[in-house]
Amino acid sequence: TQLLEQSPQFLSIQEGENLTVYCNSSSVFSSLQWYRQEPGEGPVLLVTVVTGGEVKKLKRLTFQFGDARKDSSLHITAAQPGDTGLYLCAGELRGAGSYQLTFGKGTKLSVIP
Amino acid sequence: DSGVTQTPKHLITATGQRVTLRCSPRSGDLSVYWYQQSLDQGLQFLIQYYNGEERAKGNILERFSAQQFPDLHSELNLSSLELGDSALYFCASRRVGGNTIYFGEGSWLTVV
Repeated sequence: TQLLEQSPQFLSIQEGENLTVYCNSSSVFSSLQWYRQEPGEGPVLLVTVVTGGEVKKLKRLTFQFGDARKDSSLHITAAQPGDTGLYLCAGELRGAGSYQLTFGKGTKLSVIP
Repeated sequence: DSGVTQTPKHLITATGQRVTLRCSPRSGDLSVYWYQQSLDQGLQFLIQYYNGEERAKGNILERFSAQQFPDLHSELNLSSLELGDSALYFCASRRVGGNTIYFGEGSWLTVV
């Protein structure tokens, strides 16, 4: 079973539309990170949210961490073709002397001009 | 450019063979992580090394092994390869105390 569930898996929208991507878990995370991955490249960190209820904005992207630190959402306003890519959420798990990220399967976003 | 370097970028090999993937972390980063990305499983954590020592293990098969050398570069060894091992293998590194993991561009492995 996947520790982090992302939805939707695929999303195809017209340029200018708004969208929301969800990341849900039954586990509590120390922090949650959102990455964007383009074909042929590794994931690139967009944001880290740490506090329950926290909202962070990055230009047209708004990230929210759930109050219980089990879920998160990414909202994109007025999507542009350059937003196309795979969006991954990752939850931070801290063990004895280790720092790990567990990833969701991602949401593949296509923004059509 | 994340500063994490992986070689080779692409590799095609036959079933039953053994391959080694190499990773140079960002300068000064002591932690190295290996991840496997496939279409059906997404990005799966394999193993973490910190300053030459294994720190955490994830979904790594017994046919796979890794090590981190004194110069901090790391190698992931994949043996007795099967068709299902075809995937993108990422190395990532993190500095001490940091919570950002920087990924390399990955090594595409195709097993035929």
